[in-house]
Amino acid sequence: QQQVKQSPQSLIVQKGGISIINCAYENTAFDYFPWYQQFPGKGPALLIAIRPDVSEKKEGRFTISFNKSAKQFSLHIMDSQPGDSATYFCAAAMNYGGSQGNLIFGKGTKLSVKP
Amino acid sequence: GAVVSQHPSRVICKSGTSVKIECRSLDFQATTMFWYRQFPKQSLMLMATSNEGSKATYEQGVEKDKFLINHASLTLSTLTVTSAHPEDSSFYICSAHFRGTQYFGPGTRLTVL
Repeated sequence: QQQVKQSPQSLIVQKGGISIINCAYENTAFDYFPWYQQFPGKGPALLIAIRPDVSEKKEGRFTISFNKSAKQFSLHIMDSQPGDSATYFCAAAMNYGGSQGNLIFGKGTKLSVKP
Repeated sequence: GAVVSQHPSRVICKSGTSVKIECRSLDFQATTMFWYRQFPKQSLMLMATSNEGSKATYEQGVEKDKFLINHASLTLSTLTVTSAHPEDSSFYICSAHFRGTQYFGPGTRLTVL
C-alpha cells in the first residue's frame, strides 16, 4: 500500500515532442504528489507538485494530470528539449503539512530527448 | 530561496574509517531533515528522519549504530558512517522540509576502498 509505481523505466523522445510519465498509487491517504528531476551526480530538484483537490496543474512546459478515482497521476513535458534529458521521479506523501512528510518515491524514468 | 547544501560533495576513505557528511539549510530553518541513499540507476531509499533536538528515526533495516545522525541545530544535520566498508559506497542525499515542500541537497558520493 505504500508503493508508488512509475512507468516507463526509460523514454526516448524527439526534440519538440511530448514526454509523458505515469505513476500509480494505492494508499488513498496520500495527499501530496511531487515530481522531481535529477541530473547525474546531483540531488533531485522539485519540478512541480499537486494535491488531490485539483485535477491538473501547469507550470511552464510541465503539467501534472491527476486522476483521483483511478489513483494515477502523470507528468507531461511539452516541447521537450535535450536539456530535459534527466531522470524523473514521482513521489507521494501523506499528512504532508505535518512534521514528518516522508516521501515515497517511484523507481524513476530516464528521459532522453534526441535533437 | 530554500537551498540545501552538503559537504563534502565527494569523499574517498579506507575501509574501517569513519566519514561525516554535513547537511545545511542555508536560508531557512528546518526542524526535520531526511537522509537518503541512492545506488546507481536506482531510486532514493529513505534511511532516517532527523528531528532537531531529538533522536533520529531510522527506517527498517538501517543500522542506527553504523549510520549516526545528529541534528544539533535548526540548520545542520550530520550523518556519520562509522567503520565504513566497501558496501557502504553510495550516493548519500539529504533533504529538508520547509513550507510543505522537501528540498534536496546536491548529494555526497562516498567511495570506500
